[in-house]
Amino acid sequence: QQQVKQSPQSLIVQKGGISIINCAYENTAFDYFPWYQQFPGKGPALLIAIRPDVSEKKEGRFTISFNKSAKQFSLHIMDSQPGDSATYFCAALGRSDQKVTFGTGTKLQVIP
Amino acid sequence: DGGITQSPKYLFRKEGQNVTLSCEQNLNHDAMYWYRQDPGQGLRLIYYSQIVNDFQKGDIAEGYSVSREKKESFPLTVTSAQKNPTAFYLCASRTPGQGLVNTEAFFGQGTRLTVV
Repeated sequence: QQQVKQSPQSLIVQKGGISIINCAYENTAFDYFPWYQQFPGKGPALLIAIRPDVSEKKEGRFTISFNKSAKQFSLHIMDSQPGDSATYFCAALGRSDQKVTFGTGTKLQVIP
Repeated sequence: DGGITQSPKYLFRKEGQNVTLSCEQNLNHDAMYWYRQDPGQGLRLIYYSQIVNDFQKGDIAEGYSVSREKKESFPLTVTSAQKNPTAFYLCASRTPGQGLVNTEAFFGQGTRLTVV
């Protein structure tokens, strides 16, 4: 049972453009939503995270938008750069969760 | 430096052999996890442990075994019963959320296992 649906599976964006990755969840007990960035052959690294009491969080070129009523959240990468080319995973967990629920990943390619 | 160390980075296994992947963390995290990642795929949970001497099966535990004798260590054994073990294995740790605080997982750099 997939509790976090992530789209698109792959994404090609031109340098300087905006990359947008979307996630939707079903479990209303989720209350923490981190995003991870993974480069080939490396482990995922925490990129940015948000709690549902805010609708947006920005860190540099990375922004999470959160829509609690729709149970959706998205990652926006502004001014996308070739160095942003990686696989991005959204995740969700609740206060009593023992496990982190991950999306299926989005492979982003930023072309010059 | 605090972090999660996985070793070896690359591992080759002959068919029918058991191999053990190491995962050590000095973050003082209570919970540790093992994930499997196949090319172009997401993360699938193999086993996890919330405290020392206790662990639970994840979604794809068949053919794998773990132990948690120390808080810092969570080794994964890939047994001969695992029919398709070639994959990228990731270890993670976190401190389970308490009260209003929730925490994300931190990952090691992975071990790439290949059956030859």
